[in-house]
Amino acid sequence: AQTVTQSQPEMSVQEAETVTLSCTYDTSESNYYLFWYKQPPSRQMILVIRQEAYKQQNATENRFSVNFQKAAKSFSLKISDSQLGDTAMYFCAFTLLEGGGRAGSYQLTFGKGTKLSVIP
Amino acid sequence: GAGVSQTPSNKVTEKGKYVELRCDPISGHTALYWYRQSLGQGPEFLIYFQGTGAADDSGLPNDRFFAVRPEGSVSTLKIQRTERGDSAVYLCASSLLGGSETQYFGPGTRLLVL
Repeated sequence: AQTVTQSQPEMSVQEAETVTLSCTYDTSESNYYLFWYKQPPSRQMILVIRQEAYKQQNATENRFSVNFQKAAKSFSLKISDSQLGDTAMYFCAFTLLEGGGRAGSYQLTFGKGTKLSVIP
Repeated sequence: GAGVSQTPSNKVTEKGKYVELRCDPISGHTALYWYRQSLGQGPEFLIYFQGTGAADDSGLPNDRFFAVRPEGSVSTLKIQRTERGDSAVYLCASSLLGGSETQYFGPGTRLLVL
């Protein structure tokens, strides 16, 4: 079974500064995907960024980038130039490349989340 | 529709009652997932549909929970004899073909069992 751990329940950052959210995971598989989802108070989970484990290059999406360390099973999210709209819960998630469970279900396994507050 | 929609947004019921939660996925998406998010936790997988069939229901906690997707589009999660421990946000997600593509989530239904 796969597990995802987010060790920072809450974090805060000044507007325009940079913040890094941590995530570690445990799996015996070698091919998988990792994701960061954002959940604002509206409850809607929004994909921030995804990383394929077979790619060595770290994914980047505008102000969001990841530091993927496969050997260490670490997948941190860096938010640059933080904005008030970045205030939300952030969840790290994992799914196997070939699917898991029955019938190759690509179910996501989530961490417990990090509550990020951006301070004006 | 433009995104995944879920109804109702909030549901309050009494212990022992039956509830139905509805999910309307993105048009054309064949894969549909249900997750449950308890307070202070990340979402946990419940069930996965590929088309009309429940391909993986290994996350359903017990036989009080059941879900259907009769026409391969809208899905209904059904909970019988609700218990206070069922209180949570129930999230639905869909993806185009059900592979490792991005899952798009709805806003969830917040269920409160009194």
